[in-house]
Amino acid sequence: EDKVVQSPLSLVVHEGDTVTLNCSYEVTNFRSLLWYKQEKKAPTFLFMLTSSGIEKKSGRLSSILDKKELFSILNITATQTGDSAVYLCAVALYNTDKLIFGTGTRLQVFP
Amino acid sequence: DAGVIQSPRHEVTEMGQEVTLRCKPISGHDYLFWYRQTMMRGLELLIYFNNNVPIDDSGMPEDRFSAKMPNASFSTLKIQPSEPRDSAVYFCASSFQGLMNTEAFFGQGTRLTVV
Repeated sequence: EDKVVQSPLSLVVHEGDTVTLNCSYEVTNFRSLLWYKQEKKAPTFLFMLTSSGIEKKSGRLSSILDKKELFSILNITATQTGDSAVYLCAVALYNTDKLIFGTGTRLQVFP
Repeated sequence: DAGVIQSPRHEVTEMGQEVTLRCKPISGHDYLFWYRQTMMRGLELLIYFNNNVPIDDSGMPEDRFSAKMPNASFSTLKIQPSEPRDSAVYFCASSFQGLMNTEAFFGQGTRLTVV
């Protein structure tokens, strides 16, 4: 059965800290891995990763994929209270348009 | 574009009642997805459509759930009869050309509570 596992489940940090969120997967026909940020309501897209070793960066957020070891990390540097959210990792497969989601990591950033 | 629009935002209903959730995808998107999110199971795909045709409904929990997409701009997810264990947030998402090189855009969700 295809599965996506995220760790930790929950993280509490102070503003200015750097955090690393983990996502590992066991799927057949891997196509891409996506990261979403979910605050109060709808998940919003952060990154799509398809190739190993190529870092994607957006401001203080960055992510990288390792297709050999079957995982991805999402880094957030100099965290701010606005980074508080659930971060979701999802894997897209070939031959289907399904996204398989992990259960997410809940990040809380305190001032 | 206003994004993916879902209605209602909140629904509270009694066990046994019929519930209909509605979704308007982003104009031009040819894929539409229905997800359910709970604390225990996270985000689960229920069903998805391509060009209004259901492609994969293997995630639909049971026969009480049904989904339709009568045209490119509207879809419904119906639960009949509803049960307390159906309580969750239901998300609709749409994308262009599936997930080949683009992400899915999510609506704000409908929080369903069945009492």
